[in-house]
Amino acid sequence: DAEITQSPRHKITETGRQVTLACHQTWNHNNMFWYRQDLGHGLRLIHYSYGVQDTNKGEVSDGYSVSRSNTEDLPLTLESAASSQTSVYFCASSLTASGPTDEQFFGPGTRLTVL
Amino acid sequence: GNSVTQMEGPVTLSEEAFLTINCTYTATGYPSLFWYVQYPGEGLQLLLKATKADDKGSNKGFEATYRKETTSFHLEKGSVQVSDSAVYFCALVGNTPLVFGKGTRLSVIA
Repeated sequence: DAEITQSPRHKITETGRQVTLACHQTWNHNNMFWYRQDLGHGLRLIHYSYGVQDTNKGEVSDGYSVSRSNTEDLPLTLESAASSQTSVYFCASSLTASGPTDEQFFGPGTRLTVL
Repeated sequence: GNSVTQMEGPVTLSEEAFLTINCTYTATGYPSLFWYVQYPGEGLQLLLKATKADDKGSNKGFEATYRKETTSFHLEKGSVQVSDSAVYFCALVGNTPLVFGKGTRLSVIA
């Protein structure tokens, strides 16, 4: 069955370190998204991509970067981790055919703690 | 810009009670509206959606009607079960990617 996976599921790191969170989907979806979930804020969009080599900034992109070299993967990099980036991170994907109105399928999440 | 406002939680109900979670939105044009559900320890999954005014989305006994005149998409269920305990998110997509409300935690007690 097609799916979307995230790794690692849990990560503890130190302030200033570079961290990369992986997202892999097997639906062959062109659209992929990264969100962070924080109490009191719901889900906020970090970065998104509508296809290979395409990346766009979301609402809370500062301190994060993404790259899209193939259809299946959209890794999220924290260039220099900060305590404010402690959060749960979700990756999602959707089909291209109807554009951004399609249902998004979410991964199980990565809980990141920055000490 | 686009935004979604949903009622603050948590909401605690007894089994078989009626559920309403309010959601209103601000958007330009004609957005599509969604309700997502997040069960403990999991990612979000689509519960229902409506893509135009007066559409009613329904799934698993939940329903919501796209009301353009009141810019609302309230979630309802006639008789909740313990298994409905989760966080519910209202969301919209228009000329930008999905925008989510802050979520409403529902706890159903037996």
